[in-house]
Amino acid sequence: NAGVTQTPKFQVLKTGQSMTLQCAQDMNHNSMYWYRQDPGMGLRLIYYSASEGTTDKGEVPNGYNVSRLNKREFSLRLESAAPSQTSVYFCASSKVEGNTEAFFGQGTRLTVV
Amino acid sequence: GENVEQHPSTLSVQEGDSAVIKCTYSDSASNYFPWYKQELGKRPQLIIDIRSNVGEKKDQRIAVTLNKTAKHFSLHITETQPEDSAVYFCAVGGYQKVTFGTGTKLQVIP
Repeated sequence: NAGVTQTPKFQVLKTGQSMTLQCAQDMNHNSMYWYRQDPGMGLRLIYYSASEGTTDKGEVPNGYNVSRLNKREFSLRLESAAPSQTSVYFCASSKVEGNTEAFFGQGTRLTVV
Repeated sequence: GENVEQHPSTLSVQEGDSAVIKCTYSDSASNYFPWYKQELGKRPQLIIDIRSNVGEKKDQRIAVTLNKTAKHFSLHITETQPEDSAVYFCAVGGYQKVTFGTGTKLQVIP
């Protein structure tokens, strides 16, 4: 039982490059989330998926897209990376949206140069 | 949307002393209030949570209190130990999503 697994762990991109962060959970959770973590800013919600087949914008969605591929997988895509997207990204999942424990992946440290 | 404020941003205590972290929120419909601990370089992990129908919850050295009327809740850590040093996040849950506070860096000085 791996919990929430996200890849890659580290990534360096050049400005304008694209990439997809992958996330998968094996806990049969309905809801999945993508957060970014910046110093002094806490965890800010980028996008979330309350259930399979639905996605919604969070607090800071600009520059990102997501796909809820199936119940297990939720990917985050940066179409044209910018230095402002340098951050640590966390995927998380929870059994029910909004009011149950969130389980986090190990994080992806992304640097855009 | 929900607005969560967390104070203080940094907190230093002597080992054995108590630490208190406070959060306020804006949406009176919110009904779930978890606290997460994040050690350096690690992922956030839940340490305690409380729901809106409960005023206080305790688990060994940690406790959370909730005042729904005033829309604030607090984390209390007693008899602090060096391994309590970490960043603590409050969060507020409601319909569909959870909003996090900006975090408190707790340093326990041996």
